[in-house]
Amino acid sequence: QVQLVQSGAEVKRPGSSVKISCQSSGGTFTTYTVSWVRQAPGQRLEWMGGIIPRFGTANYAQKFQGRVTIAADKATSTAYMELSSLRFEDTAVYYCARAQKYGDPFDSWGQGTLVTVSS
Amino acid sequence: EIVLTQSPGTLSLSPGERATLSCRASQSVSSNYFGWHQQKPGQAPRLLIFGASNRASGVPDRFSGSGSGTDFTLTISRLEPEDFAVYFCQLHGDTFGQGTKLEI
Repeated sequence: QVQLVQSGAEVKRPGSSVKISCQSSGGTFTTYTVSWVRQAPGQRLEWMGGIIPRFGTANYAQKFQGRVTIAADKATSTAYMELSSLRFEDTAVYYCARAQKYGDPFDSWGQGTLVTVSS
Repeated sequence: EIVLTQSPGTLSLSPGERATLSCRASQSVSSNYFGWHQQKPGQAPRLLIFGASNRASGVPDRFSGSGSGTDFTLTISRLEPEDFAVYFCQLHGDTFGQGTKLEI
């Protein structure tokens, strides 16, 4: 049974950056895609980008291009998402999630990480 | 850009009843990339249905998915107390519906 465990909640100032980790256990990390999605209060889920750890190249949603960096460490089966130039509207729960390939529904999700942007 | 619209926003039912949830796409899509998830407060979402009609591993058979083109349906044949949650649809891995809250 695959389990994705994310790092804990963060409180950040506007203009700063946040980096969230997502460690996979119980499954094959490298051959799947790992995506990052977020859910702001009262909003639907929003895909930010993803990576295939085996190849290491990330794809980003246009909205987040230039502000988000997604990476993966095969040695520790951990994916990372860093969002920079934080704004108040980046306050959200951030999830990592796994799919067999891009386009497939996610078959495993992390527990979510609350990021609060506050001055 | 494809938009997924779920209805109703909230569905109030009782245990033992049948629930029918809808997800409509703004244009025709391939059912191969369509799925349904369940989310309970404070928990990670859980995949229920993939490929529009295939149950994920461990999902009870009271959950079923159907549909094609622009209209997709999640049916829960007889509601159990643990089924009261938020359900959302997903398409192409990057597009989500706004969710339907199933409440008692």
